[in-house]
Amino acid sequence: DTGVSQDPRHKITKRGQNVTFRCDPISEHNRLYWYRQTLGQGPEFLTYFQNEAQLEKSRLLSDRFSAERPKGSFSTLEIQRTEQGDSAMYLCASGTGNEQYFGPGTRLTVT
Amino acid sequence: AQSVTQLGSHVSVSEGALVLLRCNYSSSVPPYLFWYVQYPNQGLQLLLKYTSAATLVKGINGFEAEFKKSETSFHLTKPSAHMSDAAEYFCAVSERRSSNDYKLSFGAGTTVTVRA
Repeated sequence: DTGVSQDPRHKITKRGQNVTFRCDPISEHNRLYWYRQTLGQGPEFLTYFQNEAQLEKSRLLSDRFSAERPKGSFSTLEIQRTEQGDSAMYLCASGTGNEQYFGPGTRLTVT
Repeated sequence: AQSVTQLGSHVSVSEGALVLLRCNYSSSVPPYLFWYVQYPNQGLQLLLKYTSAATLVKGINGFEAEFKKSETSFHLTKPSAHMSDAAEYFCAVSERRSSNDYKLSFGAGTTVTVRA
């Protein structure tokens, strides 16, 4: 399977802990996007990369969030000092043109 | 700024009946428009897209959508529902602000249930 993969699929953490998620895009895709989806809502844009450059960050991405894409391949999204409001599905997508292909997501639960 | 409104958070149809999901958008520039489907505990799968070519777009699984600029709409239809169409459907818009920026703005989603 050469689709977008995300790891882990599920993460349960206690408030105040740090968590890191990984996204492996489709290999030939130079753009990589992160979105957050809360229950009953559509995904909301967080940030995106063109190769290794992070070109835009949403106002939703507070200082506790950081994303990287070293060498323009996989990407990581880290949340520091998690809060209960961070509980959501975190979706990664990759693409080359105007299409985006989504991974299965990482569901984060903060207790 | 771009935004999407999906009318109706839940739609229930009988198997074999028409499926109609409504989407209206706002965009300051000519948009790209998309419909995605999401099955439980899975990511989003692209059904179809409009990118300024034909206004009637055909997608996978028998779905199609029509772009109507005058109504700022991009409604999704399928002539005959199957049980496997039960899922959540999202309409999304992307403003082509630059050749690098295709970030998506999504509607809140419409959950489709199919009655036997």
